[in-house]
Amino acid sequence: NAGVTQTPKFQVLKTGQSMTLQCAQDMNHNSMYWYRQDPGMGLRLIYYSASEGTTDKGEVPNGYNVSRLNKREFSLRLESAAPSQTSVYFCASILGTASYNEQFFGPGTRLTVL
Amino acid sequence: KNEVEQSPQNLTAQEGEFITINCSYSVGISALHWLQQHPGGGIVSLFMLSSGKKKHGRLIATINIQEKHSSLHITASHPRDSAVYICAGGVYNNNDMRFGAGTRLTVKP
Repeated sequence: NAGVTQTPKFQVLKTGQSMTLQCAQDMNHNSMYWYRQDPGMGLRLIYYSASEGTTDKGEVPNGYNVSRLNKREFSLRLESAAPSQTSVYFCASILGTASYNEQFFGPGTRLTVL
Repeated sequence: KNEVEQSPQNLTAQEGEFITINCSYSVGISALHWLQQHPGGGIVSLFMLSSGKKKHGRLIATINIQEKHSSLHITASHPRDSAVYICAGGVYNNNDMRFGAGTRLTVKP
């Protein structure tokens, strides 16, 4: 099992450009999450999906959109990147809900917006 | 004030020392998670607990629900334990998780 995979690993964008971060898991997990991690701050939830076809906003959703394409894949889109979106992005998945189950994390995507 | 607070922010220890990292939370949680973030950036789950104490090798995690406090202990620390340790609360009745800012541990040989 590959676990949780993310692409790309690194990306540099100019302000205003768009891009999609891809995430896939092969553990048959129901819930998937997108987080951002900034220096000195904890991981913050951007969006999550409790099941295929459903998505919900987290703590910091502005400037992002998501798609739960199927049970395996959950993508994060930046429509018009801003320097404030420079961060490391992590995708994670859980079999059930966050409260009761272990989270599995992808390796992260380091995004720089110039 | 953050809903999940960790202390200390940074910790340097000599190999062999006993280490304690603390986590306090104000949000209602169903489970408390301890994560380890390696120097390369990868994050792995160490423990998930809702009461009492769990042990895995040299790592021990405890939680006091009444005091809303958890601790992570490392016995006989080793340089390979150097990492960022993150505490997170699985929010009660919700899919959300709230994370502490992390504790950067450096164990010197």
